[in-house]
Amino acid sequence: SQQGEEDPQALSIQEGENATMNCSYKTSINNLQWYRQNSGRGLVHLILIRSNEREKHSGRLRVTLDTSKKSSSLLITASRAADTASYFCATSPTHAGNNRKLIWGLGTSLAVNP
Amino acid sequence: KAGVTQTPRYLIKTRGQQVTLSCSPISGHRSVSWYQQTPGQGLQFLFEYFSETQRNKGNFPGRFSGRQFSNSRSEMNVSTLELGDSALYLCASSLHRGVFTGELFFGEGSRLTVL
Repeated sequence: SQQGEEDPQALSIQEGENATMNCSYKTSINNLQWYRQNSGRGLVHLILIRSNEREKHSGRLRVTLDTSKKSSSLLITASRAADTASYFCATSPTHAGNNRKLIWGLGTSLAVNP
Repeated sequence: KAGVTQTPRYLIKTRGQQVTLSCSPISGHRSVSWYQQTPGQGLQFLFEYFSETQRNKGNFPGRFSGRQFSNSRSEMNVSTLELGDSALYLCASSLHRGVFTGELFFGEGSRLTVL
């Protein structure tokens, strides 16, 4: 079963607005990553946040991690039409040890309207 | 530096046939992972190879297999294709394996349609 669950499944906003996506997971993790996927293309890594970090920034992206609630959020500020894509979270469970296997959510589909 | 290259990008097969997909990782990357992506199931982990050895495997039937060559290039094979195997197959490479601490670099994927 999927470890990560993104919320909402779909989001439609106007250019210039902020977009917030959430990811919940079930077990303790080493880190959590966010990826973007343009339609039918490969995934592109956006940001990684470790379990001992609470917030991380990269350009217009802000990621928070709340390990007590087992959740993370991705905020895209001042959105652009080019941000239209699906966004996925991926977690690295601590119980995996050296049996590395990322667990993926089903993604949030973001549409930014010009 | 060239990215991850997957071939072919698109292919159409019929039920019962078999297919081989290829992935060339970023130069210097020794770990290659394969994923199946479908609208209903999202990204499902198939397997990971490191130094020509399968290190990890997902919950897929034995019809799905793979291998890695000494130059880190990897292939995956699906035999006796079923309609449900229609999907985007993604390959990802990374520098290290073990307790994961870094990012994955994905190829553009191979879109398989089974008729």
